[in-house]
Amino acid sequence: ETGVTQTPRHLVMGMTNKKSLKCEQHLGHNAMYWYKQSAKKPLELMFVYNFKEQTENNSVPSRFSPECPNSSHLFLHLHTLQPEDSALYLCASSQDLRLAGDETQYFGPGTRLLVL
Amino acid sequence: AQSVAQPEDQVNVAEGNPLTVKCTYSVSGNPYLFWYVQYPNRGLQFLLKYITGDNLVKGSYGFEAEFNKSQTSFHLKKPSALVSDSALYFCAVRDAGNNRKLIWGLGTSLAVNP
Repeated sequence: ETGVTQTPRHLVMGMTNKKSLKCEQHLGHNAMYWYKQSAKKPLELMFVYNFKEQTENNSVPSRFSPECPNSSHLFLHLHTLQPEDSALYLCASSQDLRLAGDETQYFGPGTRLLVL
Repeated sequence: AQSVAQPEDQVNVAEGNPLTVKCTYSVSGNPYLFWYVQYPNRGLQFLLKYITGDNLVKGSYGFEAEFNKSQTSFHLKKPSALVSDSALYFCAVRDAGNNRKLIWGLGTSLAVNP
């Protein structure tokens, strides 16, 4: 899992806190993704970036704010979260989405978030 | 609408026996199909994919999957299960057309008993 790293691995925060999740990929990819994984629910795509440009925002509440300063780094800024936002947040990367291909996604280990 | 179904929440198999984890899909065009595995407290790991060509795809850790267009299925198989194969398995599909979003199944928990 050294290809895609995520920090922190675990995070506990109150509803009034502000925190950030960090993702870094070492695979030379140009597309990066944020997913939310909750028990008994399908993997939920949150955001997609390709060459630092956001290409998808899957109706995510504004309390989640992504940032992609370059093709290797992706952040998810969190503020005034709700308890139902507790989940595993996964980052993934893939090849350039502008190119025809399979865009196999490679995942980081995730950040386990608990909102109290 | 595109969809993926993993009809079994859990599969139990004895070590050394063959295993099958089922996946069926629905897409409007030609499918790109993927299998991922998730071990406890870990992210998803890519196992194998079908894009085109041979219907039998071989992947990591001795796993393989067979694409069956008529049955719209892409079942994951392994001839001899190991206890270490116990994990959560996800099937995903995307339309080969312009929609590049992966559609994910709910996952199947595989338990391999010694």
